[in-house]
Amino acid sequence: AQSVTQLDSQVPVFEEAPVELRCNYSSSVSVYLFWYVQYPNQGLQLLLKYLSGSTLVKGINGFEAEFNKSQTSFHLRKPSVHISDTAEYFCAVSEQGAQKLVFGQGTRLTINP
Amino acid sequence: GAVVSQHPSWVICKSGTSVKIECRSLDFQATTMFWYRQFPKQSLMLMATSNEGSKATYEQGVEKDKFLINHASLTLSTLTVTSAHPEDSSFYICSARDWDRAGYGYTFGSGTRLTVV
Repeated sequence: AQSVTQLDSQVPVFEEAPVELRCNYSSSVSVYLFWYVQYPNQGLQLLLKYLSGSTLVKGINGFEAEFNKSQTSFHLRKPSVHISDTAEYFCAVSEQGAQKLVFGQGTRLTINP
Repeated sequence: GAVVSQHPSWVICKSGTSVKIECRSLDFQATTMFWYRQFPKQSLMLMATSNEGSKATYEQGVEKDKFLINHASLTLSTLTVTSAHPEDSSFYICSARDWDRAGYGYTFGSGTRLTVV
């Protein structure tokens, strides 16, 4: 069965600084990968996803992620963060042929002025 | 893009009563929907997968008789928490599989905050 590990539970960053949120997965088959953002008391919003093709995926709000199959990673990056990026970020994986989506533990991104 | 509407956004109920949460796909047909539970400052825990017209598949440890899931149409799935108790208080989120230009994905509802008193 697949699993997802988000290595950092909290990441504090100053405004306009770059940020990287780390995500590693484990699976014996090919996978699809997702990053979601959750604001307080809200559902999840899709930032980006990797299904196939180019390993560098660009998403909304200036975020991007790179799929690295050899390192089984899908790290999320943004070159310059804003106060409004303060939220919880979840990495998730779905195995090809499976229905369910498995989530990592989440990373709380805090942007300091 | 795909939209999933979840209602109510919050509900307070008395211990021993039942609560129904609705999840609707507004602009697409959702043959598969998912129900998650989220505790404060924690990740989402999959409770069950529901396929239209068939019985839901529950994850290990989830009580089928307490969390009744119905997916009677291609646009509506419901979760009923029966005989709710304070330990059932949580944030419940539904999700539906959808497809866009980039391929398939999962769209989430806005969540329901359940408080049992």
